[in-house]
Amino acid sequence: DTGVSQDPRHKITKRGQNVTFRCDPISEHNRLYWYRQTLGQGPEFLTYFQNEAQLEKSRLLSDRFSAERPKGSFSTLEIQRTEQGDSAMYLCASSGSGVETQYFGPGTRLLVL
Amino acid sequence: GQNIDQPTEMTATEGAIVQINCTYQTSGFNGLFWYQQHAGEAPTFLSYNVLDGLEEKGRFSSFLSRSKGYSYLLLKELQMKDSASYLCAVISQAGTALIFGKGTTLSVSS
Repeated sequence: DTGVSQDPRHKITKRGQNVTFRCDPISEHNRLYWYRQTLGQGPEFLTYFQNEAQLEKSRLLSDRFSAERPKGSFSTLEIQRTEQGDSAMYLCASSGSGVETQYFGPGTRLLVL
Repeated sequence: GQNIDQPTEMTATEGAIVQINCTYQTSGFNGLFWYQQHAGEAPTFLSYNVLDGLEEKGRFSSFLSRSKGYSYLLLKELQMKDSASYLCAVISQAGTALIFGKGTTLSVSS
């Protein structure tokens, strides 16, 4: 297994458009996390899945954001009606159960014009 | 709430030793992580401390004092490739999310 993968790596969109990102975790990991990182800041937690169940959502995750993990494997993060403030790096991470190391994917860099 | 503090920037020279400090305030403690992040890349795992003391892993060591809410990352025999951002993070009270500091940007010069 080559680690966590994310697609696309870069996305440029116009304000008001919808975008969707995909994350494929390490295959044996049942936990999957989404984070957002802006320049000069550490990653900020958005949401977390255990298998297909979304168990935790940050207050940062506005109604325009939705995440799914339909079969407990890959996950998608959709942002509707994008705003310029959504421009950031969106990072996905996965881990096993319990307090285990989270391994990050390469991220999707979003620019909203 | 939870708060993580670490210096914004540090500089050092090749071959030197540098210590990056991190202080935290959390409601509950489930462990502290250090990650390295090169510009434009994903964070990569360096170390995990849950008990007090020093964990050594090659050129990198990490120390934790739970009573003081304090950790440091020690980098020895610095190399140019160690120029990166170093992120301190604690596990949330629920034991799921990582709560990150803003990161310390280390610049290593020759």
